[in-house]
Amino acid sequence: DIVMTQTPLSLPVTLGQPASISCRSSQSVVHSDGNTYLSWLQQRPGQPPRLLIYLISKRFSGVSDRFSGSGAGTDFTLKISRVEPEDVGVYYCMQTSQFSRTFGQGTKLEIK
Amino acid sequence: QVQLQLSGPRLVKPSQTLSLTCAISGDSVSSDTSAWNWIRQSPSRGLEWLGRTYYRSKWFNDYAVSVKGRITVNPDTSKNQFSLQLNSVTPEDTAVYYCARGGATFDYWGHGSLVTVSS
Repeated sequence: DIVMTQTPLSLPVTLGQPASISCRSSQSVVHSDGNTYLSWLQQRPGQPPRLLIYLISKRFSGVSDRFSGSGAGTDFTLKISRVEPEDVGVYYCMQTSQFSRTFGQGTKLEIK
Repeated sequence: QVQLQLSGPRLVKPSQTLSLTCAISGDSVSSDTSAWNWIRQSPSRGLEWLGRTYYRSKWFNDYAVSVKGRITVNPDTSKNQFSLQLNSVTPEDTAVYYCARGGATFDYWGHGSLVTVSS
């Protein structure tokens, strides 16, 4: 299975400041069809995960443009341009390029 | 808007079978562009994809290696839902279980159900 490693695991951020989360895969997540099925999920306390970003950088319907994704191959980044109170939660990267879908261990974002 | 509603027992005894159902609204279990997944989350294992069912002229199932041999995911076209059966459970199978739509990504998730394996 592809191992997804996120850094940092804990991310205290001041309101209005930017935030960045890194995700590294143990091998390339480029699919044989040429697409890179790398997504980012947000999980607020007591809620199921919610899709933010798919195909590295495409924002899902209704997702704020404060969220952006980038990267290629094995290194990916989620950026939040200005953190707001509703951004508190755990963020996961996920790959669906390989048969066995795998997730990162999560990055907990909190307000300083 | 796709909605997924989970149902099933919250407490299962060790060695027995865990059974959950996910009712779909806003899409069809027989859609030839969607796939229907089971995922679980626990403090020890994090988020773990378990398996899926999908229709592409015929029905297909894929299962994670970690649970293969114990898992069955079945569609129910008459009720527009799909199910999870996990056999021979142990306390290690205690987790919040989610159903989710998706192949390329998981775009819609059910609310999740905490299932505890305990005698």
